Amino acid sequence: QKEVEQNSGPLSVPEGAIASLNCTYSDRGSQSFFWYRQYSGKSPELIMSIYSNGDKEDGRFTAQLNKASQYVSLLIRDSQPSDSATYLCAVNSGSARQLTFGSGTQLTVLP
Amino acid sequence: EAQVTQNPRYLITVTGKKLTVTCSQNMNHEYMSWYRQDPGLGLRQIYYSMNVEVTDKGDVPEGYKVSRKEKRNFPLILESPSPNQTSLYFCASSPRTSVYYEQYFGPGTRLTVT
Repeated sequence: QKEVEQNSGPLSVPEGAIASLNCTYSDRGSQSFFWYRQYSGKSPELIMSIYSNGDKEDGRFTAQLNKASQYVSLLIRDSQPSDSATYLCAVNSGSARQLTFGSGTQLTVLP
Repeated sequence: EAQVTQNPRYLITVTGKKLTVTCSQNMNHEYMSWYRQDPGLGLRQIYYSMNVEVTDKGDVPEGYKVSRKEKRNFPLILESPSPNQTSLYFCASSPRTSVYYEQYFGPGTRLTVT
């Protein structure tokens, strides 16, 4: 059973701080990793994808991947109240069908 | 506008009454998939399709059927809905069947079976 684990939270950070979200996965053959943001009652929205070890930056978001340790993280710099949402880690391994999601981390950014 | 659409967005029905949730994408994507999302269980894949006339089971296919007769459409069929199928359903599509392509989600369908 391929598993993707996330701290469910809730995680609270003050506005302007760095929010750090973590995800671990069990399948060493995993090849691609995604972070989705989901507002309550809405659909998941892709915010980052990462395929190789290291950091990938896009605006205020940085994804970090360490395949040896089987973890992927998302950093949100200068957090805003509009960043308050549930963040889903998704891992794709072996074939296109196997996009396995974590249960999500609920982030609250306090004004 | 590139998008995945689902209809209906909300549906309340009774046990045993057949229903279909439609999904359509206008991006010429090869891959389409259905997920259900339940509190504490996250997103779980129901069925997926790699291309027209090619479908396969996901992790929770029991009680569901799908078809892919056209590239753009991927309907989800519940032949005899039961209360345990009350959930939030998402359709998703991806431009390729490779693992490196992201999936894009529709707006969701909230289904209640009484």
